[in-house]
Amino acid sequence: NAGVTQTPKFQVLKTGQSMTLQCAQDMNHEYMSWYRQDPGMGLRLIHYSVGAGITDQGEVPNGYNVSRSTTEDFPLRLLSAAPSQTSVYFCASSYDRDTEAFFGQGTRLTVV
Amino acid sequence: GQQLNQSPQSMFIQEGEDVSMNCTSSSIFNTWLWYKQDPGEGPVLLIALYKAGELTSNGRLTAQFGITRKDSFLNISASIPSDVGIYFCAGRSGAGSYQLTFGKGTKLSVIP
Repeated sequence: NAGVTQTPKFQVLKTGQSMTLQCAQDMNHEYMSWYRQDPGMGLRLIHYSVGAGITDQGEVPNGYNVSRSTTEDFPLRLLSAAPSQTSVYFCASSYDRDTEAFFGQGTRLTVV
Repeated sequence: GQQLNQSPQSMFIQEGEDVSMNCTSSSIFNTWLWYKQDPGEGPVLLIALYKAGELTSNGRLTAQFGITRKDSFLNISASIPSDVGIYFCAGRSGAGSYQLTFGKGTKLSVIP
């Protein structure tokens, strides 16, 4: 089973550039989420979705957009990258509201 | 927002020793999850706890959901070199919330 797949694994952007981080899961999970991980900060929730067509903000949503047109995919968009968005980004999915989250392998993003 | 205090931040132990780490919160959680993260990888679920007082084991790992619902601990018995990594606790407050709040992690080093 592929589980949660994130692409790309590494990315370098210039300030002001835009890009989309891809996330796909093949477990038919309704719940998906994006986290960022910074040194000494643990993981912080950016946006999440409880099903196709439904998204909501997490703890640190500014500078990021999401959409959920299918159950499988949950892309994260950076419209105008800033150095403060340099981080490791993780996508996760869950079967329902109460069960554990399965994480992808992460995307390491550097904004210069 | 909600915060989890995870301790210790790091620990160095001899192979074969037992390890204990914990998380505390000022808020009540309905779910406690423990993850391990290896370098360059996403967090992997170790143990999930869903009821106050619950004690659950997974091989050499044991975790408990505190009866106050504000804390949880993870024990690792007879540590081995592959236990090296960063351990995260995460809590979900329930009441319709899907969001996970993560601790800042405990970095474990095992000396052979």
